[in-house]
Amino acid sequence: NAGVTQTPKFRILKIGQSMTLQCAQDMNHNYMYWYRQDPGMGLKLIYYSVGAGITDKGEVPNGYNVSRSTTEDFPLRLELAAPSQTSVYFCASSYGAEKLFFGSGTQLSVL
Amino acid sequence: GENVEQHPSTLSVQEGDSAVIKCTYSDSASNYFPWYKQELGKGPQLIIDIRSNVGEKKDQRIAVTLNKTAKHFSLHITETQPEDSAVYFCAASNGLGSSNTGKLIFGQGTTLQVKP
Repeated sequence: NAGVTQTPKFRILKIGQSMTLQCAQDMNHNYMYWYRQDPGMGLKLIYYSVGAGITDKGEVPNGYNVSRSTTEDFPLRLELAAPSQTSVYFCASSYGAEKLFFGSGTQLSVL
Repeated sequence: GENVEQHPSTLSVQEGDSAVIKCTYSDSASNYFPWYKQELGKGPQLIIDIRSNVGEKKDQRIAVTLNKTAKHFSLHITETQPEDSAVYFCAASNGLGSSNTGKLIFGQGTTLQVKP
């Protein structure tokens, strides 16, 4: 099992550009999550999904969109990148609502 | 919604000493409390968790205690070793049971340094 795979690992965007952060898991987990991590701020939940076709907002959803068309994939879309979206993004998955498995993260800079 | 406060933000101990990290939560409906360890350049990894129907749980050198009345829970690491140096996060969720929303809310993190 590869676990939770995130791509890319690093990315630099210009203000106003768009991009999709990819996340895939091979553990047949129902739950998937996107968090962002800013220095000294812990992990903030952006969006989460409890199954294919179902998504819901977390603590900080503004500026992001998600979709969950399959159990395995949960991409995060940034439409108009802003400097405030400079962060490290983590995708996670779990079988139920506990014991999250995290990917290795995507470091995003918006300049 | 749920809010989780974690203290201290940094903690430095000598190898062999104990380390304690404390968290408080606001939502009395929270029923699941995990702790994660994050090493440099990696994603967080679950090290121990506790449910609200249990007051204490231990796994070798780490233990977690829960006080539901005071809405406190703590991580205890005994006989610390240099490899325990990392960032530790507490979290809370009401994701168990019929009101399963699946939202795990994290504290701000504690950077633990174990000096050899």
